[in-house]
Amino acid sequence: SQQGEEDPQALSIQEGENATMNCSYKTSINNLQWYRQNSGRGLVHLILIRSNEREKHSGRLRVTLDTSKKSSSLLITASRAADTASYFCAGGRYNTDKLIFGTGTRLQVFP
Amino acid sequence: SAVISQKPSRDICQRGTSLTIQCQVDSQVTMMFWYRQQPGQSLTLIATANQGSEATYESGFVIDKFPISRPNLTFSTLTVSNMSPEDSSIYLCSVGARRGGDYGYTFGSGTRLTVV
Repeated sequence: SQQGEEDPQALSIQEGENATMNCSYKTSINNLQWYRQNSGRGLVHLILIRSNEREKHSGRLRVTLDTSKKSSSLLITASRAADTASYFCAGGRYNTDKLIFGTGTRLQVFP
Repeated sequence: SAVISQKPSRDICQRGTSLTIQCQVDSQVTMMFWYRQQPGQSLTLIATANQGSEATYESGFVIDKFPISRPNLTFSTLTVSNMSPEDSSIYLCSVGARRGGDYGYTFGSGTRLTVV
């Protein structure tokens, strides 16, 4: 399978703490995207980092990409209960619009 | 970014029957994607649907089981045929969307299918 893998599979933290999720992928990618899914509903696009970028910020989100290690991380700072969701990384490949999704991390933020 | 209306949001179906899922986009898009998400799992791409041509299916998915229609640039349907309990999943449609300088994807809200 070319599916990416994420760790941890599940993460529980208190509000105010930081949450870090890691993603590893197998194929060459053009970009790496992160999505959030609440309670088995539709996915919401969070952030995209291109293969020639190493770090990107958006609000409380910080994404890093290491193409030599085929890995990415998503950091959510000062987490809130509303951040409770599943988070998926997805690799965008060259010359195709297809996304290859990671296995996901279930984040639980306790008030 | 595009807004997608997907329906039904959920359904419980008898084995052997078929269910058609609809996705309506508020803007014209070239490609639409259909995904399956089995319970507790990640998303797996079923097929890519272009307007005016046959859908392109991923390995493990066939047209007889998952026929797709794409009659125009704003609409697509996915049918899950001759259902069995193993087809119980969330099915999602998706379209690409420009977000400033980036290109991300917008997803429908999903159809939670339970086959009994």
